[in-house]
Amino acid sequence: KQEVTQIPAALSVPEGENLVLNCSFTDSAIYNLQWFRQDPGKGLTSLLLIQSSQREQTSGRLNASLDKSSGRSTLYIAASQPGDSATYLCAVYLQGGSEKLVFGKGTKLTVNP
Amino acid sequence: NAGVTQTPKFRILKIGQSMTLQCTQDMNHNYMYWYRQDPGMGLKLIYYSVGAGITDKGEVPNGYNVSRSTTEDFPLRLELAAPSQTSVYFCASSYSQGDREQFFGPGTRLTVL
Repeated sequence: KQEVTQIPAALSVPEGENLVLNCSFTDSAIYNLQWFRQDPGKGLTSLLLIQSSQREQTSGRLNASLDKSSGRSTLYIAASQPGDSATYLCAVYLQGGSEKLVFGKGTKLTVNP
Repeated sequence: NAGVTQTPKFRILKIGQSMTLQCTQDMNHNYMYWYRQDPGMGLKLIYYSVGAGITDKGEVPNGYNVSRSTTEDFPLRLELAAPSQTSVYFCASSYSQGDREQFFGPGTRLTVL
């Protein structure tokens, strides 16, 4: 059974710092991996999607990497801002017809001014 | 495009009552999903559908029913509501081809008392 783990569960950093959020998964047979952002009381916003054949994706100050063989992904946030404060969720889309995402529990990020 | 819309935003039910959570998408996506999110936990898949007339159980289907009569709509029915169904419910959709990026609705916060 695929399990997704996100460490740390919470992270607090000063504004301007570069930071890395970690995601690990137990089964490398994935179709893709998505990083989401969730603000309190809100829905999920897709940040980056990495196909299983890709190594990384970039969007603005965000860079996500994928190492399927080791079952790891990282989300790098450059020059963090208070507006980046949110919970970040990692999810893997299973391969082979399961047609579903398996989510981690998220990392709650606080960026202090 | 409105994307994925959900109604209602909030609802309080008494134990034993029934209700339907509505979900509509206007992106012509084949795949649609229902998740629940409990505090401190990741999202759990309740049901999903790969097209009109086709539905399948996810990880936590007990106490719920779904139907998919059109491509756009995927309602979730709660029969005989129980306190354990207190949660935030998210609907999502994606294409069946390509990267299968999932797009989420804003959620329905349900309390069963």
